[in-house]
Amino acid sequence: DAGVTQSPTHLIKTRGQQVTLRCSPKSGHDTVSWYQQALGQGPQFIFQYYEEEERQRGNFPDRFSGHQFPNYSSELNVNALLLGDSALYLCASSLAKRGLGGSIRYEQYFGPGTRLTVT
Amino acid sequence: GIQVEQSPPDLILQEGANSTLRCNFSDSVNNLQWFHQNPWGQLINLFYIPSGTKQNGRLSATTVATERYSLLYISSSQTTDSGVYFCAVGIRGGADGLTFGKGTHLIIQP
Repeated sequence: DAGVTQSPTHLIKTRGQQVTLRCSPKSGHDTVSWYQQALGQGPQFIFQYYEEEERQRGNFPDRFSGHQFPNYSSELNVNALLLGDSALYLCASSLAKRGLGGSIRYEQYFGPGTRLTVT
Repeated sequence: GIQVEQSPPDLILQEGANSTLRCNFSDSVNNLQWFHQNPWGQLINLFYIPSGTKQNGRLSATTVATERYSLLYISSSQTTDSGVYFCAVGIRGGADGLTFGKGTHLIIQP
């Protein structure tokens, strides 16, 4: 059972450039979320995609945009890169599952991340 | 938005010791997960535990939803347990992004 995969592993970009990061969800999962993790901090939620639409967004500017494809894979695009965008970008996938007692469970599983350095 | 506080921020223990990590959250949650982040950045799922108690080997977790806290217990620590432990919560059953705490950095010395 393939887990969440991300590409590329590492990336170096120059301030002002644009970058695209890719994520393939765990087999059978239909929801993809993106997170940014700065050094020494916990991950911060960027946005979540479900049925090819952005379902929820965190506190990130419009320079951060995304897309989900019919096969549930997803891209994260960042325009006009700033030095402060240097971080580990994590993708997580999930699927609504009926748990014990009828509750719905959305456990998120994370990929290995893409480390972006902006110079 | 919801606030998540983890304590202690840092913990240094000898191999074989037991530890308790705490996560406090400021509002009702429908999703709570504990993760271990290894030195390469991979977040490894430990527990999905919005309420109740679970055990997996030397690790166990308890969430008291009515009092808005969760505890992660690690018994008989091994050096491979070193890393950062994160608690993360969601308020819409998981149909939303997780809010993470700042983590507990655990170092297990041989």
